Amino acid sequence: KNEVEQSPQNLTAQEGEFITINCSYSVGISALHWLQQHPGGGIVSLFMLSSGKKKHGRLIATINIQEKHSSLHITASHPRDSAVYICAVRNNAGNMLTFGGGTRLMVKP
Amino acid sequence: DAGITQSPRHKVTETGTPVTLRCHQTENHRYMYWYRQDPGHGLRLIHYSYGVKDTDKGEVSDGYSVSRSKTEDFLLTLESATSSQTSVYFCAISESGGYQPQHFGDGTRLSIL
Repeated sequence: KNEVEQSPQNLTAQEGEFITINCSYSVGISALHWLQQHPGGGIVSLFMLSSGKKKHGRLIATINIQEKHSSLHITASHPRDSAVYICAVRNNAGNMLTFGGGTRLMVKP
Repeated sequence: DAGITQSPRHKVTETGTPVTLRCHQTENHRYMYWYRQDPGHGLRLIHYSYGVKDTDKGEVSDGYSVSRSKTEDFLLTLESATSSQTSVYFCAISESGGYQPQHFGDGTRLSIL
């Protein structure tokens, strides 16, 4: 079983819809990262969080440490949000990240 | 954008040849990472460095070696490339390991025939 599981693997939405991507992990962590990979391949860090909630524009990330679960929400989705969203966790032991397999999002106009 | 440059961006080579990928940063960050990304596997850590001449293995380090002789450069070497090492390779940097966001380079697409 992978340490980091994301769901869904693929998601298609209509422009304007509210989107939720989920990340569950099985180890104790000190931080969780959400990343975005554009169709051209570039990877951008969106959030790093260890508790509670963070918001940036139309993106909201939440984490529940007790339940070992994080969600990434996109409000008023737009075709330019189409990308692969990747969850990664830093466990308590070291300086490395373990990555989920990614969620491929397509937002149709 | 964080100053990270990967070179080359694309490379095609033959099985058995040596290959070196370079990651250059202008941010003076302590940590540097090499990942590979393959369909069905996501990003996997090959090696990372926590300072000049200080490196450690990741989860898929077999067949790869690294060197960091200067803060700004982190080299990944495939001593004798195999077809299983065909992948997209990403370099990333971070100020303080997993406590800070990682900034990624644009990737190197490596094909080994």
